[in-house]
Amino acid sequence: DTEVTQTPKHLVMGMTNKKSLKCEQHMGHRAMYWYKQKAKKPPELMFVYSYEKLSINESVPSRFSPECPNSSLLNLHLHALQPEDSALYLCASSSGTGVGGYTFGSGTRLTVV
Amino acid sequence: AQKVTQAQTEISVVEKEDVTLDCVYETRDTTYYLFWYKQPPSGELVFLIRRNSFDEQNEISGRYSWNFQKSTSSFNFTITASQVVDSAVYFCALSRINTGGFKTIFGAGTRLFVKA
Repeated sequence: DTEVTQTPKHLVMGMTNKKSLKCEQHMGHRAMYWYKQKAKKPPELMFVYSYEKLSINESVPSRFSPECPNSSLLNLHLHALQPEDSALYLCASSSGTGVGGYTFGSGTRLTVV
Repeated sequence: AQKVTQAQTEISVVEKEDVTLDCVYETRDTTYYLFWYKQPPSGELVFLIRRNSFDEQNEISGRYSWNFQKSTSSFNFTITASQVVDSAVYFCALSRINTGGFKTIFGAGTRLFVKA
């Protein structure tokens, strides 16, 4: 199994809603990542989990809350988002060092209304 | 500071033409990694190639080839005999081992249109 699965593929939420994005991989990768990609822009790193511990937080607002319940799962909890948070949210995984490159999921396209 | 520059925003070619996507990077690290990713309209980023800073050997994989030159801080990507399925956004990326993990920054991307 050489893929990263993200659910849901599309999500529309109001500014007062609470929702979660889910990411799953079964490649034995020990590093997992959340990226945010606005239209016609490159992906921007949000969080890095290494061996199930949060190792990098790129000064992301607290309305985004990551969680890594185990080595295969990565969640992104969303609360009180703003319309400007609408974007494609990409999950990726890699070996512990990451030097082999990332395997990306197909993303969740989020629209905040 | 680290930076990746992809000066070509969009390129349009006719099928079977060769096309080169440029990538210039900046880093003060002696150990770093360079990547190319492809993002088709479906949205998923697909890993194409990795090079580490100590390996300047060029590589060919089918119709794809990469030219890594440290002297000019460039890592260019050539598609030979392009096909419609090559239409996508291509990102060049630079990675380093950072305190806390492996950080990758992406260039702005080059959108390639291949017309039949």
